[in-house]
Amino acid sequence: DVKVTQSSRYLVKRTGEKVFLECVQDMDHENMFWYRQDPGLGLRLIYFSYDVKMKEKGDIPEGYSVSREKKERFSLILESASTNQTSMYLCASLYNEKLFFGSGTQLSVL
Amino acid sequence: SQKIEQNSEALNIQEGKTATLTCNYTNYSPAYLQWYRQDPGRGPVFLLLIRENEKEKRKERLKVTFDTTLKQSLFHITASQPADSATYLCALDIGGSARQLTFGSGTQLTVLP
Repeated sequence: DVKVTQSSRYLVKRTGEKVFLECVQDMDHENMFWYRQDPGLGLRLIYFSYDVKMKEKGDIPEGYSVSREKKERFSLILESASTNQTSMYLCASLYNEKLFFGSGTQLSVL
Repeated sequence: SQKIEQNSEALNIQEGKTATLTCNYTNYSPAYLQWYRQDPGRGPVFLLLIRENEKEKRKERLKVTFDTTLKQSLFHITASQPADSATYLCALDIGGSARQLTFGSGTQLTVLP
């Protein structure tokens, strides 16, 4: 089975902090994604990566950046956290047209 | 812009009945559509994919239909069980890669014993 692991289930940070969300997949998939999920808004794509060091903006990239130094790891960075970035963050990898998701990180920015 | 609507935020049905969830979309012609299941506090899990040239797809108690004229997909769970209670998300491919996968906001299904 594909395993996508997100480093934290819950995080509480303060406004202005730099935040790192880590995601690791164990199946050598090329494509990886970061989404955020908010009530009533569904999943929205922040960034994705189709190879090491390659990245592309999604629908809501403002306030975020990403890093993919190794194939198995895709990191989401909040340069200066703000309260409107309080959300559930989901990482996923793609194989055979299907997305495999991690369990999510519930981030609260105070 | 592409818009996906799922029929209602919450749906309650009695155990043993068939649950029917709706996904409507506008403004595009997707190559395929997917359904995912999401349990509280967990990430979505892939269930089924149906392509534009397929009318229907089945997997055990699950059935998905895809009507590209109506721009609608129906997701059925037959002989529903309390364990089927979850949020179900539809996702639309509007391009050639998963980068273009757009999700609906989901329908929360509760199967009452």
